[in-house]
Amino acid sequence: EDQVTQSPEALRLQEGESSSLNCSYTVSGLRGLFWYRQDPGKGPEFLFTLYSAGEEKEKERLKATLTKKESFLHITAPKPEDSATYLCAVQGISGNTPLVFGKGTRLSVIA
Amino acid sequence: NAGVTQTPKFQVLKTGQSMTLQCAQDMNHEYMSWYRQDPGMGLRLIHYSVGAGITDQGEVPNGYNVSRSTTEDFPLRLLSAAPSQTSVYFCASSSINRDRGRYEQYFGPGTRLTVT
Repeated sequence: EDQVTQSPEALRLQEGESSSLNCSYTVSGLRGLFWYRQDPGKGPEFLFTLYSAGEEKEKERLKATLTKKESFLHITAPKPEDSATYLCAVQGISGNTPLVFGKGTRLSVIA
Repeated sequence: NAGVTQTPKFQVLKTGQSMTLQCAQDMNHEYMSWYRQDPGMGLRLIHYSVGAGITDQGEVPNGYNVSRSTTEDFPLRLLSAAPSQTSVYFCASSSINRDRGRYEQYFGPGTRLTVT
């Protein structure tokens, strides 16, 4: 059974204090690993898809990396507007396998 | 291009009532799905569809029905609402890349449902 575990559950950072969020996964053949951002009261917003170990993608202050067992979302010099819940999801090898989501990391960036 | 739209935004039902949550997308995506999100439980898949006329069950399908008569629409029906169905419901859609599976799944803004 495909599983996704995100840590920590919650993270509080000072503005400018860089850190990383972790997404550990077990999947029977990885087709894709997805990162989303979710603001309170809104739907998840797509950030990145990673397909193979060693792949990296960047968007503004965010960089996602992927190994064979986990993914990291690195946040460099965060700002208060980066505060949100960050969700990780995986899709297994079967072409139409639904995404399996982790429970998310709730990030708070304090000015 | 509105993306994924959901109606209503909020709904209160009494136990035993039925209703339909509407979901539409204008991106010509083949794949659509319904999730519920509860505190501490994360996003859980209810039903999904890989194209018009094709639907399948997800992790928590009991008490819900779906149909997919067009590419654009994927309504979720609650047959007889129960307090356990109080949740936030999200619809999502994505295109299907035959080599890589789904990618860039887009979510709607959600429907907040309360069953009393």
